[in-house]
Amino acid sequence: EAGVVQSPRYKIIEKKQPVAFWCNPISGHNTLYWYRQNLGQGPELLIRYENEEAVDDSQLPKDRFSAERLKGVDSTLKIQPAELGDSAVYLCASSETGGNEKLFFGSGTQLSVL
Amino acid sequence: AQTVTQSQPEMSVQEAETVTLSCTYDTSESDYYLFWYKQPPSRQMILVIRQEAYKQQNATENRFSVNFQKAAKSFSLKISDSQLGDAAMYFCAYRNGGKLIFGQGTTLQVKP
Repeated sequence: EAGVVQSPRYKIIEKKQPVAFWCNPISGHNTLYWYRQNLGQGPELLIRYENEEAVDDSQLPKDRFSAERLKGVDSTLKIQPAELGDSAVYLCASSETGGNEKLFFGSGTQLSVL
Repeated sequence: AQTVTQSQPEMSVQEAETVTLSCTYDTSESDYYLFWYKQPPSRQMILVIRQEAYKQQNATENRFSVNFQKAAKSFSLKISDSQLGDAAMYFCAYRNGGKLIFGQGTTLQVKP
């Protein structure tokens, strides 16, 4: 069974540039999550999707971050424009539903903003 | 709001010895799940063990076991017979419904 796939694995950009991350969840998983993990800290939820609907985006900085999940499968997270403080690892995860079953994580995208 | 606290930024253990990682959490809910995740340098979060709050029996998975104290809101992870491959960052996490909340993590070093 294929796991959660994320790309790119690494991204280096200059501040004020746009950047996008892509996530393909496990087949059949209805719930998709985007987390941001700063160096040496635990992941923090940015947004959660149930199928194609964003059901929790309270922690998403909406002035510069946007996300979409077309057709309730793949998802894209975008930052425009990027700031130095956006340097972090962006993790995607999926689960069958939004209940209490476990989450499966991708390997993340490490973003460096110079 | 729910919070998860890991008070040990770093721990070390000798190979083949036992180590315990601490975690406390705060919630007003009675039904929830607790997890320990391992994150090696590859960055991928790997589920180590899961505990349902309504179960009194502590979960075990091979060399990994937990000490779940619901009244004290404590959820520690014990790793027995530590191996070099156990070296990683370990995160305690709480889940009630859709949101999974992580602690700050504990870096575990295993010495040969």
